[in-house]
Amino acid sequence: DGGITQSPKYLFRKEGQNVTLSCEQNLNHDAMYWYRQDPGQGLRLIYYSQIVNDFQKGDIAEGYSVSREKKESFPLTVTSAQKNPTAFYLCASSIRQGHTEAFFGQGTRLTVV
Amino acid sequence: AQTVTQSQPEMSVQEAETVTLSCTYDTSENNYYLFWYKQPPSRQMILVIRQEAYKQQNATENRFSVNFQKAAKSFSLKISDSQLGDTAMYFCAFMKKSGGTSYGKLTFGQGTILTVHP
Repeated sequence: DGGITQSPKYLFRKEGQNVTLSCEQNLNHDAMYWYRQDPGQGLRLIYYSQIVNDFQKGDIAEGYSVSREKKESFPLTVTSAQKNPTAFYLCASSIRQGHTEAFFGQGTRLTVV
Repeated sequence: AQTVTQSQPEMSVQEAETVTLSCTYDTSENNYYLFWYKQPPSRQMILVIRQEAYKQQNATENRFSVNFQKAAKSFSLKISDSQLGDTAMYFCAFMKKSGGTSYGKLTFGQGTILTVHP
């Protein structure tokens, strides 16, 4: 079945450590996105990529980094520079051209301990 | 920049009744899409309904319909014959239709938690 897979579902990190969240899609979508979800704030865009080897900062990119070496993969690294990393992270993808909606993964809950 | 506002943090409804969730947005764009997404306790984001700004006719998907008022920048979601499975958080979202690096990016409201009671 086609879809977006995020792993792991739950992730714990010690303060001061970097951690990478995985996002893989087999929908042949060009564009991929990372959103952060906090209570009472909806979803906010961290980074997005419309094509392989290219990506742009979203609204809250500080303390995060991404790569897009393959069309199907868009990993997100939460660095130690991110002040409040505990959150729910959602990956999404969409066809670059056209008016289709974004498809979402099931999310990763990151907790800093 | 676009903003999306959902002024109802929580709503509740009895099973089989109708409920309306509110959403307003602010944009200088003329071509855009509006969406309602549902996030049940599983936290999977599910598209409920989509509206294209240039279409005057309100979108409908089975029990879900919207009231799109472009001039007022209002986009409410009506759920008819509410079911227990409709219990979820609902997000209103905006997407610019074309051009530049903003294509495909979604701007979300804060969400409304809807509880359907038996």
